[in-house]
Amino acid sequence: DQQVKQNSPSLSVQEGRISILNCDYTNSMFDYFLWYKKYPAEGPTFLISISSIKDKNEDGRFTVFLNKSAKHLSLHIVPSQPGDSAVYFCAASPATSGTYKYIFGTGTRLKVLA
Amino acid sequence: DTGVSQNPRHKITKRGQNVTFRCDPISEHNRLYWYRQTLGQGPEFLTYFQNEAQLEKSRLLSDRFSAERPKGSFSTLEIQRTEQGDSAMYLCASSPPLPNYGYTFGSGTRLTVV
Repeated sequence: DQQVKQNSPSLSVQEGRISILNCDYTNSMFDYFLWYKKYPAEGPTFLISISSIKDKNEDGRFTVFLNKSAKHLSLHIVPSQPGDSAVYFCAASPATSGTYKYIFGTGTRLKVLA
Repeated sequence: DTGVSQNPRHKITKRGQNVTFRCDPISEHNRLYWYRQTLGQGPEFLTYFQNEAQLEKSRLLSDRFSAERPKGSFSTLEIQRTEQGDSAMYLCASSPPLPNYGYTFGSGTRLTVV
């Protein structure tokens, strides 16, 4: 049972436009969420996080939105740059577990076209 | 270099052989995680250490897998009697006591069992 779903395996966006990556989850106990970026042959790199007490968190060009009622989060990248081309994973955890063990989605491959 | 270091980067082994991977976390991070990633999937949690104590193990971690973190510093992951299904990228991550800042992953060890 996939508790964290990224239903779009790939996305192509023109340079300078907005990239929107989506993630859905099923476990209502999840209350901490992360986005990671992964380049080939490298480990995932932490991008941005959000806790369930917020509905938005911004860091430069990256904004994450959380809709708890819909169990949905999204990552917005504005403006998109060619260097953003990578695989993006969302991850969720029930922070109250103490382990901070994250469940990852299957990833969305973003291609930013110059 | 203050990142998470994993060795070796690549390992090819024959089915039935034992292999051992090493992870050196960021020195001030007391939490250490092992994840496994197969093609087209997100990272899957294997096990978690807080200092030297192994506090959680996934059911994915069969009896052939063992992980240690002596003295709460580096960690090793050993796979005995490897099977072709063990072929994957093995990722190590570490985090400070407040992991809501996200894990720092290493570059991984890619295991191929032939």
